[in-house]
Amino acid sequence: DIQLTQSPSSLSASVGDRVTITCRASQRISTYLNWYQQKPGKAPKLLIYDASSLQSGVPSRFSGSGSGTDFTLTISSLQPEDFATFYCQQSYGTPLITFGGGTKVEI
Amino acid sequence: EMQLLESGGGLVQPGGSLRLSCAASGFTFSDYAMTWVRQAPGRGLEWVSAIGGTGSATYYTDSVKGRFIISRDNFRNTLSLQMNTLRAEDTALYYCVKTLRENFNGFGERLDFWGQGALVSVSS
Repeated sequence: DIQLTQSPSSLSASVGDRVTITCRASQRISTYLNWYQQKPGKAPKLLIYDASSLQSGVPSRFSGSGSGTDFTLTISSLQPEDFATFYCQQSYGTPLITFGGGTKVEI
Repeated sequence: EMQLLESGGGLVQPGGSLRLSCAASGFTFSDYAMTWVRQAPGRGLEWVSAIGGTGSATYYTDSVKGRFIISRDNFRNTLSLQMNTLRAEDTALYYCVKTLRENFNGFGERLDFWGQGALVSVSS
């Protein structure tokens, strides 16, 4: 089974900071890697798909990169509404979809 | 406006059954594969099951195989999850989620719209 390991599991940051979250896959998954944002009490929201493509309506301060086993989500300038938990997700084999453990971004 | 409204959650004893439903609107339901994703209290996301747009192809994570059945009614625009032989570890918020394509083949699947979830609690 393909496993995704996110790091860090949590981080503290300030408004305006550049934030980087990493996701490592246990085997190569090409660019079949997506990122989601989940705010407390809300459903997750798709941010980045296929490792680096910005979902429609998502602010350009969010970006993704990587291929193979190592991926990164970057927030160029953290805004107050960005404090949330972020998950990576892969679909490249069985089980058909898996998520990383999540990274909580807090003040 | 796209909407996914889950219903049918509740408290059930271990070994019991529950049926979740998801009413879809605002898009052509039969054009998209649908999935269920769950989140245990205070925990991360776990994919549970998926079904292709026609309903003929279904997929499950190992922990629910043989206990859960996913189905859809494209005339009523409804997705369902029949959950049998429930265990305490099935306790979670269950999200109904739309994918990007009609066929679900496990490669490049993107979960692009989520409902607000239905809470399932399994406890004696």
